[in-house]
Amino acid sequence: GAGVSQTPSNKVTEKGKYVELRCDPISGHTALYWYRQSLGQGPEFLIYFQGTGAADDSGLPNDRFFAVRPEGSVSTLKIQRTERGDSAMYLCASSPRRGADTQYFGPGTRLTVL
Amino acid sequence: AQTVTQSQPEMSVQEAETVTLSCTYDTSESDYYLFWYKQPPSRQMILVIRQEAYKQQNATENRFSVNFQKAAKSFSLKISDSQLGDAAMYFCAYRSPNNNDMRFGAGTRLTVKP
Repeated sequence: GAGVSQTPSNKVTEKGKYVELRCDPISGHTALYWYRQSLGQGPEFLIYFQGTGAADDSGLPNDRFFAVRPEGSVSTLKIQRTERGDSAMYLCASSPRRGADTQYFGPGTRLTVL
Repeated sequence: AQTVTQSQPEMSVQEAETVTLSCTYDTSESDYYLFWYKQPPSRQMILVIRQEAYKQQNATENRFSVNFQKAAKSFSLKISDSQLGDAAMYFCAYRSPNNNDMRFGAGTRLTVKP
């Protein structure tokens, strides 16, 4: 079946603009995760959804970052007033349920803030 | 908080030979999960192998095997009969059953020489 998909694959924006990054998880996966990966680093956790609710948003760096998953499937990561430091690869992952299950990653969205 | 350390930023191996990538972690938990992920230049993270901490037997997946030393908090990955397609960044990751995120190491860049 289809894996996790993310759009766009690349996004270039100007400082201060608003961006939305989309994640389409594997069908039937109830758990969805967002990570941020800076160049040369491992991914860092941002937020976790179980169904429609954000069960854990402790990794969001500040209130400019927000994510939704209104129907329990597709999720959108929203970044307001982008800063150059937000430039990174944003990865989405899903798993059948929370807990021990393996997370399956999408190809990521590379965000560049000029 | 759990931390994952990969002390080898770069490793190199000759095609058909064996290489071992190191990973150590810090935790006070007795039950947890460990993973090795591969991230080729295309950037999509792919699961290589996983290990449950309660299992004493080391996990094996074809040419990939781990040496899990729970007391030493060590989780190394051995790649046998290395192939050119094994060239990638390799990330070690830790997951607690009680948390929602995975903690990743900084990664090891593996080069395979023909």
